[in-house]
Amino acid sequence: DAGVIQSPRHEVTEMGQEVTLRCKPISGHDYLFWYRQTMMRGLELLIYFNNNVPIDDSGMPEDRFSAKMPNASFSTLKIQPSEPRDSAVYFCASSFGDRGMNTEAFFGQGTRLTVV
Amino acid sequence: KQEVTQIPAALSVPEGENLVLNCSFTDSAIYNLQWFRQDPGKGLTSLLLIQSSQREQTSGRLNASLDKSSGRSTLYIAASQPGDSATYLCAVRPDGGGGNKLTFGTGTQLKVEL
Repeated sequence: DAGVIQSPRHEVTEMGQEVTLRCKPISGHDYLFWYRQTMMRGLELLIYFNNNVPIDDSGMPEDRFSAKMPNASFSTLKIQPSEPRDSAVYFCASSFGDRGMNTEAFFGQGTRLTVV
Repeated sequence: KQEVTQIPAALSVPEGENLVLNCSFTDSAIYNLQWFRQDPGKGLTSLLLIQSSQREQTSGRLNASLDKSSGRSTLYIAASQPGDSATYLCAVRPDGGGGNKLTFGTGTQLKVEL
């Protein structure tokens, strides 16, 4: 498996524009996580899915943020409208969730978002 | 709410030295703890995962220990090399009804000098 794949790797956009980040988890993993990393706040969990269903979105900062997982192999994180304070690195991760299995989390390379 | 702290925040050592990175967590009801490495501008690479029932895990020059009752984990790096320079993060997964989300520490930035 190629691991968790995120696209794009870098995104520069103007304030007010819509931004869509994409993630392909490791095949077979039933949990998918979206994290945001900033210098000030470190790594923060935004939302996670189990079997394509959102389980906990308490970390989503505002209504401008939304995430979907239409199938087991694809997820999106959308920001609309984007603001300069959304500038950060966004990571997607996946894992098995069954407590009888190895629940090691694997991360993608991240998307570095800059909103100007 | 689980809080994870790592000390020191930054560490600089000469090549060849053995070193210890510390991780502490406030809620001992964890299912497992994972250590990651992050290189500048890169994603996170999993190094070791310790289940709550385990005391330690080893991989090459790395050894991670876990004392769940006291809320502490250490990552021991033997014979450090310049290639070990990176930020090291620990993360805990909750037990019980806490779901499967990882809570991360703030990281230790390690520099191994020639």
